[in-house]
Amino acid sequence: GDSVTQMEGPVTLSEEAFLTINCTYTATGYPSLFWYVQYPGEGLQLLLKATKADDKGSNKGFEATYRKETTSFHLEKGSVQVSDSAVYFCALSDDGDSSYKLIFGSGTRLLVRP
Amino acid sequence: EAGVAQSPRYKIIEKRQSVAFWCNPISGHATLYWYQQILGQGPKLLIQFQNNGVVDDSQLPKDRFSAERLKGVDSTLKIQPAKLEDSAVYLCASSVYMGEQFFGPGTRLTVL
Repeated sequence: GDSVTQMEGPVTLSEEAFLTINCTYTATGYPSLFWYVQYPGEGLQLLLKATKADDKGSNKGFEATYRKETTSFHLEKGSVQVSDSAVYFCALSDDGDSSYKLIFGSGTRLLVRP
Repeated sequence: EAGVAQSPRYKIIEKRQSVAFWCNPISGHATLYWYQQILGQGPKLLIQFQNNGVVDDSQLPKDRFSAERLKGVDSTLKIQPAKLEDSAVYLCASSVYMGEQFFGPGTRLTVL
């Protein structure tokens, strides 16, 4: 079945460092790909998405490119801030699945130090 | 616009007891999802409603879990009897059909 694998955390960075969180997926159809973020004490929020190959999703300085050839959707940010400390989840929704449910990776905790 | 509301936020029960969680989706959202998030894992779909009909409950442990969405608005998820492995955060999400899912704050359940 469909699945998402993302790098284990925690990832600890200094402020203004470059961030990459790796995400790869397995899907039988043509999935849409998402990054969700969960700040401490808050619910899951959609950070960005891409619906087809070579699409780039971006928001709040974060970017991810849908790479069909490598089945990847890595999250990047050029300069992280302390306020970016959160848990990041990669997810897919298989367009061949009529329920459009989200399948999540296990999450990567990011800690940014001043 | 009000977000997805869930209650209670926290619940502690002993094994074999029953528990119920409530979710009020965003107004106008026909699709409602319940996810289970075990510590250290990503959320996993338990059940999805489209209005008051079930679209997907393939991963719902039906011997102990039940859910309903009367009148196609609010939803209740029940566990009876609870097991230790049911300790998790239960997330409710809603969306318009095929749209972005918006998540509530979750209910953290601890089973002792």
